[in-house]
Amino acid sequence: GDSVTQMEGPVTLSEEAFLTINCTYTATGYPSLFWYVQYPGEGLQLLLKATKADDKGSNKGFEATYRKETTSFHLEKGSVQVSDSAVYFCALILKIIFGKGTRLHILP
Amino acid sequence: DTAVSQTPKYLVTQMGNDKSIKCEQNLGHDTMYWYKQDSKKFLKIMFSYNNKELIINETVPNRFSPKSPDKAHLNLHINSLELGDSAVYFCASSLGYYNEQYFGPGTRLTVT
Repeated sequence: GDSVTQMEGPVTLSEEAFLTINCTYTATGYPSLFWYVQYPGEGLQLLLKATKADDKGSNKGFEATYRKETTSFHLEKGSVQVSDSAVYFCALILKIIFGKGTRLHILP
Repeated sequence: DTAVSQTPKYLVTQMGNDKSIKCEQNLGHDTMYWYKQDSKKFLKIMFSYNNKELIINETVPNRFSPKSPDKAHLNLHINSLELGDSAVYFCASSLGYYNEQYFGPGTRLTVT
């Protein structure tokens, strides 16, 4: 069936480090892909999205490219900040499936 | 100008009680959802309504019953609460089923 697999967390980085959070999916159709971010004590917020192959979503310095050939939608940021500490969810919308979330800690 | 609101934010109750969580969105969306997030942050969809009609009903105990009086509201009623129901419940909405969802702030339910 359809599924989303995210890298296990927590991920701990120093400020200004490069970030990659891996996300791969399996789907029987052509899903839309999303990254959501959840800050402590809050609901999820959409970070970025891509609706078809080769689309690149970007927001707040984060980027992810919809790669149909590798069924991936990895989240990247060139230089993380302490304020980026949160839980990040990769999601697939065909059937609604969220990954298990990756907790990110940024050390000042 | 809150987009998706939920009440209450916190709910502490005893086993066996019946409780409701309310959700309202002012975005003009036609699709609303309920999610359960466990202590490990795992997020699982429970229900989805489109134009007041149930379109997703995942494997959820029938003690949980959603009710959508209109497109802007989707309430969640839980009967005979159990310890395992303790979690954070999120409401969300979207315009159409395949578009990005906007989440409410969550309701932390604690069953003692």
